[in-house]
Amino acid sequence: AQSVAQPEDQVNVAEGNPLTVKCTYSVSGNPYLFWYVQYPNRGLQFLLKYITGDNLVKGSYGFEAEFNKSQTSFHLKKPSALVSDSALYFCAVRDISRDDKIIFGKGTRLHILP
Amino acid sequence: DAGVTQSPTHLIKTRGQQVTLRCSPKSGHDTVSWYQQALGQGPQFIFQYYEEEERQRGNFPDRFSGHQFPNYSSELNVNALLLGDSALYLCASSIASGIAEQYFGPGTRLTVT
Repeated sequence: AQSVAQPEDQVNVAEGNPLTVKCTYSVSGNPYLFWYVQYPNRGLQFLLKYITGDNLVKGSYGFEAEFNKSQTSFHLKKPSALVSDSALYFCAVRDISRDDKIIFGKGTRLHILP
Repeated sequence: DAGVTQSPTHLIKTRGQQVTLRCSPKSGHDTVSWYQQALGQGPQFIFQYYEEEERQRGNFPDRFSGHQFPNYSSELNVNALLLGDSALYLCASSIASGIAEQYFGPGTRLTVT
């Protein structure tokens, strides 16, 4: 069955430093991968997606993600963190070769320290 | 351009009662998905509606049912509420074609006492 793992419950980064939020996935077919961000008491906001093509995907608010097929990973990155990036981040995978459901990871809380 | 809207914002119900949550999709979207997000967890897929029919379903009991209307809006119904049904219920809309991202509403916070 398809699955998504976010191995870190929380990531702390100093403002101005680069950040990485990790995600690994397991699907039987080609993976379609997404990152979403959730601010307190809000719904999820779409950041970026990987469908095919370039392994480096650029998204909203300066975020990007690198797709690595051999490591089955889709890590979220940003070159220089802002305090306003502090939020809950979710990785999600969709496997259209099976049941086409979207599965979310449990989330990683990102703290940017001023 | 209105995004995804959900009503009500908050709801308190008693065990055994029934509840209906509502969702209006983003303009131009024809597909609606519902998720349950328990505290400290990622969203869990409940089901998805397209063309007024349930297209996909997650691992939720039959107490959870839904409906999609001709204007693409949707309802989520939960019968015989349990304490464990307390959660944030998220609605997401998308377009059916291609690998489209989903746009989420702010959610309905359901508390079952």
